[in-house]
Amino acid sequence: TQLLEQSPQFLSIQEGENLTVYCNSSSVFSSLQWYRQEPGEGPVLLVTVVTGGEVKKLKRLTFQFGDARKDSSLHITAAQPGDTGLYLCAGVFNKFYFGSGTKLNVKP
Amino acid sequence: GAGVSQSPSNKVTEKGKDVELRCDPISGHTALYWYRQSLGQGLEFLIYFQGNSAPDKSGLPSDRFSAERTGGSVSTLTIQRTQQEDSAVYLCASSLSASSDTQYFGPGTRLTVL
Repeated sequence: TQLLEQSPQFLSIQEGENLTVYCNSSSVFSSLQWYRQEPGEGPVLLVTVVTGGEVKKLKRLTFQFGDARKDSSLHITAAQPGDTGLYLCAGVFNKFYFGSGTKLNVKP
Repeated sequence: GAGVSQSPSNKVTEKGKDVELRCDPISGHTALYWYRQSLGQGLEFLIYFQGNSAPDKSGLPSDRFSAERTGGSVSTLTIQRTQQEDSAVYLCASSLSASSDTQYFGPGTRLTVL
C-alpha cells in the first residue's frame, strides 16, 4: 500500500490546456516535495512546501500544501510539450516517501 | 560533471547471478539513498547511509539485497541470486546531510534479469 496516492495516474492533454495533479495521504508530513522525471534520468526537485496552506509558484506551476500537511496539489497553466514527464510527490518525515507518480503527456 | 553518477547505466543478467551497482555521490554529501523504481512508477526506498553507516535498512526487500558505503563516498548495492522480479531501475541520490531535504538523483541503473 502506497503511503502517498497520486491522481490521475496518466494524463494526456493538448498544448495550452490547464491541469491539476493531486497527492493525498492520511499521514502528516513535515514537508512535501514535487519532482519531475524524464525518461532515462533521475527525478529533479521542483519545489518543497513546508507550511500548511502554503502556496508556491514557479512560472506556470503552482504548488499547494494542504492545511493539515497531508496532501498537496500541482497546477500547471497553459501546458507545453516541454512539461511532459513523470511527476512525483514525496512526503518527508524522517525519510522520503514517494507517491506512485502521474505520467503527463502534452501534445503539440 | 559534479552530479551523482551511477554505473553501469544498463545491466542485463541471468536469473541466479549476482550483480553490483555502483553510486558516486556529489563530493561532500554525507547522506546517500538507494531507491528502486519499476517501469514508470514511483520510487521504493531501499536503504540510506549517513557517512558509512546505514541507520535505515528497512526497505531492503530480502536478504539477497545488501549495500555498503566506504570512505563516506562511493556506495555499492549488491543483489545476490537475482530473480526476474528484481528487474527495475535502481536510483541513487545524495544530499548534503541527513537533515537536508534536497536530494540529487543520479540517472539510475536499469537492471534486467532474464
